[in-house]
Amino acid sequence: ETGVTQTPRHLVMGMTNKKSLKCEQHLGHNAMYWYKQSAKKPLELMFVYNFKEQTENNSVPSRFSPECPNSSHLFLHLHTLQPEDSALYLCASSHNPGLAGVEQYFGPGTRLTVT
Amino acid sequence: GIQVEQSPPDLILQEGANSTLRCNFSDSVNNLQWFHQNPWGQLINLFYIPSGTKQNGRLSATTVATERYSLLYISSSQTTDSGVYFCAVNLVSNFGNEKLTFGTGTRLTIIP
Repeated sequence: ETGVTQTPRHLVMGMTNKKSLKCEQHLGHNAMYWYKQSAKKPLELMFVYNFKEQTENNSVPSRFSPECPNSSHLFLHLHTLQPEDSALYLCASSHNPGLAGVEQYFGPGTRLTVT
Repeated sequence: GIQVEQSPPDLILQEGANSTLRCNFSDSVNNLQWFHQNPWGQLINLFYIPSGTKQNGRLSATTVATERYSLLYISSSQTTDSGVYFCAVNLVSNFGNEKLTFGTGTRLTIIP
């Protein structure tokens, strides 16, 4: 247990579906992150939220829509995805990022399959 | 952008053996983390080690930031050590936030 939970753990969706991934952290952190891990590619950052404000969008297609209603919860809304979006989606959290760097803690991930 | 390279990409060892995993990075970084990803995908924090040496049981890590590398040592390997080991570095982006850049990982397989 890292203090970061994600639901669902597995998701299969069609290209016309709309679904949402949920992340919750119980560590008192201020920053939350979405990462994507595709087969045979390094883990890559998608979004960063700091104090509920989006501070980084790593050129992610608009079919991925993040939402951060408070510092403990982070969502990733999915719509009209493509099969190549099938991947493991990981959420992370940390204390307030700054110049000195902070340690990130990861949830167990949601394994998404787009059919 | 910053490059993070890990070696070796794959490592197969007998139970009880020792191993050294290496992480090289191409630019100055603020901090560095080592993770173990288990077969279910969970990333487990091993070390947060911007510089110096740390030890935790059979695992230890050393980062030499001035020479842009870090090493992870695993002694007396057990089958539960199997999985993928990632090195990730913190680079302050233009927005002043933290973004972890991950290496491609070392897949470790421990044979009983």
